Amino acid sequence: KQEVTQIPAALSVPEGENLVLNCSFTDSAIYNLQWFRQDPGKGLTSLLLIQSSQREQTSGRLNASLDKSSGRSTLYIAASQPGDSATYLCAVPRVPIQGAQKLVFGQGTRLTINP
Amino acid sequence: SQTIHQWPATLVQPVGSPLSLECTVEGTSNPNLYWYRQAAGRGLQLLFYSVGIGQISSEVPQNLSASRPQDRQFILSSKKLLLSDSGFYLCAWSTGSGNQPQHFGDGTRLSIL
Repeated sequence: KQEVTQIPAALSVPEGENLVLNCSFTDSAIYNLQWFRQDPGKGLTSLLLIQSSQREQTSGRLNASLDKSSGRSTLYIAASQPGDSATYLCAVPRVPIQGAQKLVFGQGTRLTINP
Repeated sequence: SQTIHQWPATLVQPVGSPLSLECTVEGTSNPNLYWYRQAAGRGLQLLFYSVGIGQISSEVPQNLSASRPQDRQFILSSKKLLLSDSGFYLCAWSTGSGNQPQHFGDGTRLSIL
């Protein structure tokens, strides 16, 4: 059974710092890993999807890495801004994928960027 | 571009009342559709998914049901709500080709009194 863990549960850093959010999963046989952002009381916004064959995926100030063998992914945020404050979630689909992707989510890391 | 709409945004219902939450997707055909629940202090849990009209799969036994009467419409229902049905309900879609990102709606906050 796939389990996804995100540590720490909360993180507070001053504006401008580079930071890394962690995601680990128990079953390395994944098809992809997706990072989301959730603002309070809102839905999820897809940030990056990294395929199992990829090692990295970049979008603006965000960089996601994937190490399947160790069951880990990191989300790197460069030059953090107060607008980056949100909860960040990672998710992997249960295998086998038969049409629909049944995502297993971590509990999220609540990030606060202090001005 | 594709968009997903959920309504209502918030809902307060008494115990024992019926429920109907609606989700529609625009700008794509034959999407996979999903209902998730996010309960306070708990992670996101997949409730139902659908790969086509009239095709519904349930992930957990519960007081809720789902239907897909049209290609881009997904409905979450209950005949009699329980206190434990409170939570934040999220609808999502992905393309049918697999290994593609899921995209979420803005959610419905459901409070049961």
